Amino acid sequence: DTAVSQTPKYLVTQMGNDKSIKCEQNLGHDTMYWYKQDSKKFLKIMFSYNNKELIINETVPNRFSPKSPDKAHLNLHINSLELGDSAVYFCASTTIGRLYTGELFFGEGSRLTVL
Amino acid sequence: AQSVTQLDSQVPVFEEAPVELRCNYSSSVSVYLFWYVQYPNQGLQLLLKYLSGSTLVKGINGFEAEFNKSQTSFHLRKPSVHISDTAEYFCAVSFTGGGNKLTFGTGTQLKVEL
Repeated sequence: DTAVSQTPKYLVTQMGNDKSIKCEQNLGHDTMYWYKQDSKKFLKIMFSYNNKELIINETVPNRFSPKSPDKAHLNLHINSLELGDSAVYFCASTTIGRLYTGELFFGEGSRLTVL
Repeated sequence: AQSVTQLDSQVPVFEEAPVELRCNYSSSVSVYLFWYVQYPNQGLQLLLKYLSGSTLVKGINGFEAEFNKSQTSFHLRKPSVHISDTAEYFCAVSFTGGGNKLTFGTGTQLKVEL
């Protein structure tokens, strides 16, 4: 069983389109994240949800809208896609609070290519 | 501002040679320190972590790292690398009171050659 799973793994689309990436974790964690990895491999945090509540919202264009229907799922919707959105998007999860150790469990990534 | 720096973007090394990947951080508060590995076309996997206690931590695949508070460093080492260690390695820091956010360095590409 995959602990943190993302769909789709690959996504190729045209500029201006709207697309979504889904993430699910079966680890029983209460916190989920979206990270963006650019072509130079740099990883930047975008959002984090704890028990469906947004707790981290970095400087990200408002074309990006995360949604967490429950603590096991975190989706990312992107409107009006731009060339610069091309990247690999990673979902990750952990448990915060007194059990927090900073260790994140990552999905395998969703590679988005905007043409 | 708190930050993490990986000075080497690429480290080529021959198989069975030792390797050290450098990581330095900047923080005025206590930290948790991590090394993650990313194999081609895969997600990130935890290699090892320092939370407290012994400053020398051992991880998977024969890697180890030493926390040096005075040098604000957490360098990753392996005494003898294998071809299969070829990957991208990321140092990461979580700051106490940092809002449960893991900040990554820019990564070091380890390339092991025959």
